Amino acid sequence: KQEVTQIPAALSVPEGENLVLNCSFTDSAIYNLQWFRQDPGKGLTSLLLIQSSQREQTSGRLNASLDKSSGRSTLYIAASQPGDSATYLCAVRPGAQKLVFGQGTRLTINP
Amino acid sequence: NAGVTQTPKFQVLKTGQSMTLQCAQDMNHEYMSWYRQDPGMGLRLIHYSVGAGITDQGEVPNGYNVSRSTTEDFPLRLLSAAPSQTSVYFCASSSGQQSYNEQFFGPGTRLTVL
Repeated sequence: KQEVTQIPAALSVPEGENLVLNCSFTDSAIYNLQWFRQDPGKGLTSLLLIQSSQREQTSGRLNASLDKSSGRSTLYIAASQPGDSATYLCAVRPGAQKLVFGQGTRLTINP
Repeated sequence: NAGVTQTPKFQVLKTGQSMTLQCAQDMNHEYMSWYRQDPGMGLRLIHYSVGAGITDQGEVPNGYNVSRSTTEDFPLRLLSAAPSQTSVYFCASSSGQQSYNEQFFGPGTRLTVL
């Protein structure tokens, strides 16, 4: 059974720092991995999708990497801003339609 | 495009009542699914559909019913609400099952069962 773990559960850093969020999964047989952002009381916003054949994807200040063999992904946020404060969710797609989610990392950027 | 829309945003039910959570998408996506989000449990798949007229169970389907009569709509029915169904419900859609297909989520319905 695929399991996804995100560490740490919460992270607080000062504005301007570069930071890394971690995601690990137990089964390397995945279609893709998707990183989402969730603001309090809101839905999920897709940030980046990495296909199983890819090693990384970039969007603006965000860079996500994927190492299938070790079952790890990282989300790198450069020059963090208070507006980046949110919960970040990692999800892997082991089959055609199902996403398996981690429990998220709650990120706080302090001005 | 409005994307994935869900109604209502909030709902309070009494135990035993039934209701339907609505989900619609205007992106002509074939694939739609329902998740519930609970503290400490993350998001879990309830039901999904790969096209009009085709549905299947996910990880936690008990107490829920779905149908897919059109490509655009995928309602979730609670047959007899129970306090254990208090949760936030998210609908998602995707244009296909290739590895490059993203899933897009709606804003959620917050349901409380008393």
